[in-house]
Amino acid sequence: QVQLVQSGAEVKKPGASVKVSCKASGYTFTGYYMHWVRQAPGQGLEWMGRINPNSGGTNYAQKFQGRVTMTRDTSISTAYMELSRLRSDDTAVYYCARSDYVWGELDYWGQGTLVTVSS
Amino acid sequence: EIVLTQSPGTLSLSPGERATLSCRASQSVSSSYLAWYQQKPGQAPRLLIYGASSRATGIPDRFSGSGSGTDFTLTISRLEPEDFAVYYCQQYGSSPHTFGQGTKVEIK
Repeated sequence: QVQLVQSGAEVKKPGASVKVSCKASGYTFTGYYMHWVRQAPGQGLEWMGRINPNSGGTNYAQKFQGRVTMTRDTSISTAYMELSRLRSDDTAVYYCARSDYVWGELDYWGQGTLVTVSS
Repeated sequence: EIVLTQSPGTLSLSPGERATLSCRASQSVSSSYLAWYQQKPGQAPRLLIYGASSRATGIPDRFSGSGSGTDFTLTISRLEPEDFAVYYCQQYGSSPHTFGQGTKVEIK
């Protein structure tokens, strides 16, 4: 069965960077796009961007351009999302989710990773 | 960027009642690339509807989606206890793939 398993919770100081991983299993990793979506406490969902695990090509929401980097390691079927220059308002649960093509709905989601930014 | 506005913000209904949720886009959604997700506290969202009206695998037929262009609707024909949750629409036809702010369906 399809599973996306994310890394554990992180606590970071303002200005630092965080890298969250998402390990995929149960399907061909390079056959599906991987997206990252975040949710601040008590708030709605916010799409951050996506990566094509086959080519490594990325598309980021303009809001995160220059601060987010999405990468993948096909040898271990894992996608990564790194967010730099963290601020307190980056405190959120970060989800990975896959889609079957570039303009695709998000059919499977990871369990989420809480990133807390606090001095 | 396409802005999605969901209404109402909160819907207070009893089990067995019909729920109608609205999602309005600031511009036309390409090829009806509109999805609906359900989220319960402490859980990841779950895909319910894609392509505006197609049910995802395993989703009961009491959930239905309709609409095109800028106006979309999610209908739950008869609410079951497990349906009380927050529902989000998302357009994925243009980047960024924006979400609505959510509608909470609560027990009356």
